Amino acid sequence: KAGVTQTPRYLIKTRGQQVTLSCSPISGHRSVSWYQQTPGQGLQFLFEYFSETQRNKGNFPGRFSGRQFSNSRSEMNVSTLELGDSALYLCASSLAGVQPQHFGDGTRLSIL
Amino acid sequence: QQQVKQSPQSLIVQKGGISIINCAYENTAFDYFPWYQQFPGKGPALLIAIRPDVSEKKEGRFTISFNKSAKQFSLHIMDSQPGDSATYFCAAVIIQGAQKLVFGQGTRLTINP
Repeated sequence: KAGVTQTPRYLIKTRGQQVTLSCSPISGHRSVSWYQQTPGQGLQFLFEYFSETQRNKGNFPGRFSGRQFSNSRSEMNVSTLELGDSALYLCASSLAGVQPQHFGDGTRLSIL
Repeated sequence: QQQVKQSPQSLIVQKGGISIINCAYENTAFDYFPWYQQFPGKGPALLIAIRPDVSEKKEGRFTISFNKSAKQFSLHIMDSQPGDSATYFCAAVIIQGAQKLVFGQGTRLTINP
């Protein structure tokens, strides 16, 4: 069974640009969550989607948004990129939201 | 604010020894407590998880001990091996419709051969 797939693995952007990250969950998983990982702040919850609906959101500015499609694939968008957005962005999926989450290997975003 | 405090930040253990990582939480509304292992360049991988109504859970060389009254839980790695060298994260999960993980800051474990 394939794991959580995130694309691209690496991205380099400049300040002010926007970026879209993609996540394909494990087959059959309907819940998709996004996390930001930085050396200083650790792993922080961004948001969670289930059946195309955002059910929970962390403490991030509105520049961070996401969506989920009918096939459970999810995208995350960050607009007006700032230097501080440089991080590893992780996607995790689970069955129906009550089973443990399984993570992808992330997208490493670097802002120049 | 929901927090999970993890210690130590880094840990060096000799091969064959026992690695112990501790976590403490504040919110009593958490539904379960997973541990994740992360290697460089990889995402966190689920190791083991425990519900708050269980005091201990063992899977192979990995054991979670849970003290509900003290709001503490710990990961024990028995017979630690160089391949166990990684960063370990404890987490606490709230399930209110959606599932939200609150992570500890991580422990970088090094097993010396």
